[in-house]
Amino acid sequence: NAGVMQNPRHLVRRRGQEARLRCSPMKGHSHVYWYRQLPEEGLKFMVYLQKENIIDESGMPKERFSAEFPKEGPSILRIQQVVRGDSAAYFCASSPPSGTLFNEQFFGPGTRLTVL
Amino acid sequence: KQEVTQIPAALSVPEGENLVLNCSFTDSAIYNLQWFRQDPGKGLTSLLLIQSSQREQTSGRLNASLDKSSGRSTLYIAASQPGDSATYLCAVQGGSEKLVFGKGTKLTVNP
Repeated sequence: NAGVMQNPRHLVRRRGQEARLRCSPMKGHSHVYWYRQLPEEGLKFMVYLQKENIIDESGMPKERFSAEFPKEGPSILRIQQVVRGDSAAYFCASSPPSGTLFNEQFFGPGTRLTVL
Repeated sequence: KQEVTQIPAALSVPEGENLVLNCSFTDSAIYNLQWFRQDPGKGLTSLLLIQSSQREQTSGRLNASLDKSSGRSTLYIAASQPGDSATYLCAVQGGSEKLVFGKGTKLTVNP
């Protein structure tokens, strides 16, 4: 059973370009979370999605950032018009649906975004 | 607002030593607490998850305890090895699905 997969692992963009980060959850998992780790900072929650629904986007910057988790295919975190401050490691995690309210989250290897 | 603090920020020990990493959180209304390991440039590996109703969890040389009422958790590593060198992260899950992380303790085990 493959773990959480993220691609690309490394992404370089120039200021003003768009960045698309992909996350494929573990098989059977329908909950996806995105976290950002800025240099010398801890991981910060960005958004929580279930298939075709955004459940909690309280950690998303108000502008330029969006996320989706379509019925088919991976979850996408999209950053428009990137700036140098967007340079960070972006981690995706997934968890299964279950009868319990809160589940263990399993993390992918991350995408390291560098904005030149 | 939940805040998670990890002390110390960095720790260097000789091989074979037993050590304790500390994690504290401000809001005791949590559902679980997880300890992760992160190697440089890598993702997160889950080490232990403690449900709020539990007091401790053990896996091999690792033991994590939870005192929810005082807002504290410790990760005990027995007989440390150079391969244990990594950053250890503590995260709590409270009234929403999101995890709130501390900044981590960077551990170096010297041969």
